[in-house]
Amino acid sequence: EADIYQTPRYLVIGTGKKITLECSQTMGHDKMYWYQQDPGMELHLIHYSYGVNSTEKGDLSSESTVSRIRTEHFPLTLESARPSHTSQYLCASSGNWETQYFGPGTRLLVL
Amino acid sequence: GNSVTQMEGPVTLSEEAFLTINCTYTATGYPSLFWYVQYPGEGLQLLLKATKADDKGSNKGFEATYRKETTSFHLEKGSVQVSDSAVYFCAIAPREGAQKLVFGQGTRLTINP
Repeated sequence: EADIYQTPRYLVIGTGKKITLECSQTMGHDKMYWYQQDPGMELHLIHYSYGVNSTEKGDLSSESTVSRIRTEHFPLTLESARPSHTSQYLCASSGNWETQYFGPGTRLLVL
Repeated sequence: GNSVTQMEGPVTLSEEAFLTINCTYTATGYPSLFWYVQYPGEGLQLLLKATKADDKGSNKGFEATYRKETTSFHLEKGSVQVSDSAVYFCAIAPREGAQKLVFGQGTRLTINP
């Protein structure tokens, strides 16, 4: 059973606020990913990391930033939230990169 | 480039019906192929995979066969249950380039009792 956690599960916040979405995994995986999932279900890769101190931008341009200071932790930050950031954010990790283990997601609503 | 095309949804079936969700892909080389499933309110989880031509992946009564000649990986189940209601994603892991999966757009499946 994969152990990957995301907090908070739900977040309602006002425009202009800074937010950090947490993602942690206990499997020792080097590779971690952030996806944005729109209401139409499609997944968009916004950030990924191959290991500590490695971060890359994904296929969809995003105003968010990420950091990877520890293997188990891959937080995503929005400096100034806007309504257009309203979405579901999914974090995933992988040991061999092909099989990814997903967290339960964070549903973000920006008013 | 690499891409995945899935059968458009939503798909609605009655319990015990036969299910097929089509998936075709475009990729350089021979990618590994996957089906992921997302149940309501959850993240995705791996359902099955195949890593080379003619491999059949199977799990929970679902099957899919890696067809290199038609670049397809169709998902099938002989008798669906209400608990199979979910969103299904086909994905490929290209052999070249960045280490990231390419997902299809997802197919929402609803099974009625």
